[in-house]
Amino acid sequence: SQQGEEDPQALSIQEGENATMNCSYKTSINNLQWYRQNSGRGLVHLILIRSNEREKHSGRLRVTLDTSKKSSSLLITASRAADTASYFCATQEYGNKLVFGAGTILRVKS
Amino acid sequence: NAGVTQTPKFQVLKTGQSMTLQCAQDMNHNSMYWYRQDPGMGLRLIYYSASEGTTDKGEVPNGYNVSRLNKREFSLRLESAAPSQTSVYFCASSPTGANEKLFFGSGTQLSVL
Repeated sequence: SQQGEEDPQALSIQEGENATMNCSYKTSINNLQWYRQNSGRGLVHLILIRSNEREKHSGRLRVTLDTSKKSSSLLITASRAADTASYFCATQEYGNKLVFGAGTILRVKS
Repeated sequence: NAGVTQTPKFQVLKTGQSMTLQCAQDMNHNSMYWYRQDPGMGLRLIYYSASEGTTDKGEVPNGYNVSRLNKREFSLRLESAAPSQTSVYFCASSPTGANEKLFFGSGTQLSVL
């Protein structure tokens, strides 16, 4: 069973707009990670946020974590056509397993 | 830097055939993972190896076996392939486990007819 569930399943925006994706999970976690997957490629790590952190930034990416609501969001600001990809959240409970959600497909139109 | 290397990239099998997917990492990572990706379902963990000499089942281990040959290599074997095993398989590694980021290979697309 999947721990994280992303919302929306698909998102289409214009270049320059911001994109927000959400992830909800069910149990207590140690950390939550976001990954990007370009078509036909492997996953690339974007950001890791630990359970005692509330917000992290990396370039145009901003991730928030609300452990009381068991949810996280990924914000991509000033989107570019190259941001077109699938985005996955993954959660680590306490152990060595990282469990992925089904992903959000982002399309940025130029 | 090669990172995580998977072979082969594509494979077509007939039902009942066996094969081994190979994975090697050159980053001196302790932990290695095998996932499968099916449309609309994200990635599901098949097996993982927290360190050399140990392996553990993930979410969907049935029909698969693994071998942690050494610190670099982690192979996935399908003993008797079934159409339900048609999927894209990803190997990943991490320095010490899921408390850190995973590095992924480029995947193996497997079709079982």
